[in-house]
Amino acid sequence: QKEVEQNSGPLSVPEGAIASLNCTYSDRGSQSFFWYRQYSGKSPELIMFIYSNGDKEDGRFTAQLNKASQYVSLLIRDSQPSDSATYLCAVKSTMYSGGGADGLTFGKGTHLIIQP
Amino acid sequence: NAGVTQTPKFQVLKTGQSMTLQCAQDMNHNSMYWYRQDPGMGLRLIYYSASEGTTDKGEVPNGYNVSRLNKREFSLRLESAAPSQTSVYFCASSEGWGGTNEKLFFGSGTQLSVL
Repeated sequence: QKEVEQNSGPLSVPEGAIASLNCTYSDRGSQSFFWYRQYSGKSPELIMFIYSNGDKEDGRFTAQLNKASQYVSLLIRDSQPSDSATYLCAVKSTMYSGGGADGLTFGKGTHLIIQP
Repeated sequence: NAGVTQTPKFQVLKTGQSMTLQCAQDMNHNSMYWYRQDPGMGLRLIYYSASEGTTDKGEVPNGYNVSRLNKREFSLRLESAAPSQTSVYFCASSEGWGGTNEKLFFGSGTQLSVL
């Protein structure tokens, strides 16, 4: 059973602070990890992906992956009210033989609120 | 560049009615997907098409059928709608599989209510 766990929140962070979003997964052999942002009433959009242990930075966003501990996190620096959204963690399981994004398991998302 | 276009945006059905959700992408992607999103359940894969001419079941396929009409279009059909199919439906596409090819691009969604 593939599981991806996220704290549903809401996570409230003051404007300008660092928002830290966490995700744990059950399949130890997972290889690909994605963060999607979803504004209320809108569709998800990809903001970060990571494959290797360590940190990956893109502007104000940093994805962190620790395969030994089976968690992936997303840091948002200098948080802005426009960052208020639900953040979905998605993990590609190596146990799934389909090969493509059909092997993705999504977490239920963390609702982030940036307080002005 | 429209990306992924799905229609309709909203639909209300009565139990037992049928309907087809349409999806088209203009990014020349090989793979296409249908997800449903329910409160507290996250995104769940209904069906996918890894490439033109192929379709496969996802996590929650019961009550649905799909057709990969050509490389651009992938439709989802509800033959006899049930209240349990009330949900938000998203079509998505990706270049294929492996690495960054697996990035999903989503349509704007269809809010379906079955009474």
